[in-house]
Amino acid sequence: DTEVTQTPKHLVMGMTNKKSLKCEQHMGHRAMYWYKQKAKKPPELMFVYSYEKLSINESVPSRFSPECPNSSLLNLHLHALQPEDSALYLCASSQVGRGNYGYTFGSGTRLTVV
Amino acid sequence: AQKVTQAQTEISVVEKEDVTLDCVYETRDTTYYLFWYKQPPSGELVFLIRRNSFDEQNEISGRYSWNFQKSTSSFNFTITASQVVDSAVYFCVTPPQSGGSNYKLTFGKGTLLTVNP
Repeated sequence: DTEVTQTPKHLVMGMTNKKSLKCEQHMGHRAMYWYKQKAKKPPELMFVYSYEKLSINESVPSRFSPECPNSSLLNLHLHALQPEDSALYLCASSQVGRGNYGYTFGSGTRLTVV
Repeated sequence: AQKVTQAQTEISVVEKEDVTLDCVYETRDTTYYLFWYKQPPSGELVFLIRRNSFDEQNEISGRYSWNFQKSTSSFNFTITASQVVDSAVYFCVTPPQSGGSNYKLTFGKGTLLTVNP
């Protein structure tokens, strides 16, 4: 497998809901990432996991809670989101310390907060 | 600090035209890499090419070609005989320095290419 799978593809949630985004890869990559992308903007890094441990949090609000239960899975738990959190959420993976070899991105989850 | 500039925000062409997307980069590293990604309307970022600073050979892959010039700090991307399926946002990207703990990719702002039939 040379892909990153994200579910769901689309999600609509209310501001009081709790939901989770899921990401899975089977390339043996031990670095996994969450990116947020607003319309007509490049992706912005949110979190980085390296060997299943959180290594970077780009000052993301606590209503976003990442989790890496094992080397293949990455979750993003969402709670009490705001309408401005509506965006495309992209998961990516790479080899640790060897990002020069490239990052593989999933197709994303389009999140709408109402 | 690394920086990638894509001065073209939007480009519109008619099918079969050739089109070049510009990318200018800034880095203090002597060893560095550059990528191009394609993002179609579906949202997935598709990896197109990786180039390192030691290899200035131009590369061709089908209708795609890349011109890497260290003298002008540019890594331009040309699509020959464009097709409607080439319509997408294209990002020029540079990864963090090899071996560093900073995993942050540096993206250009992207160029929206629209190919009209």
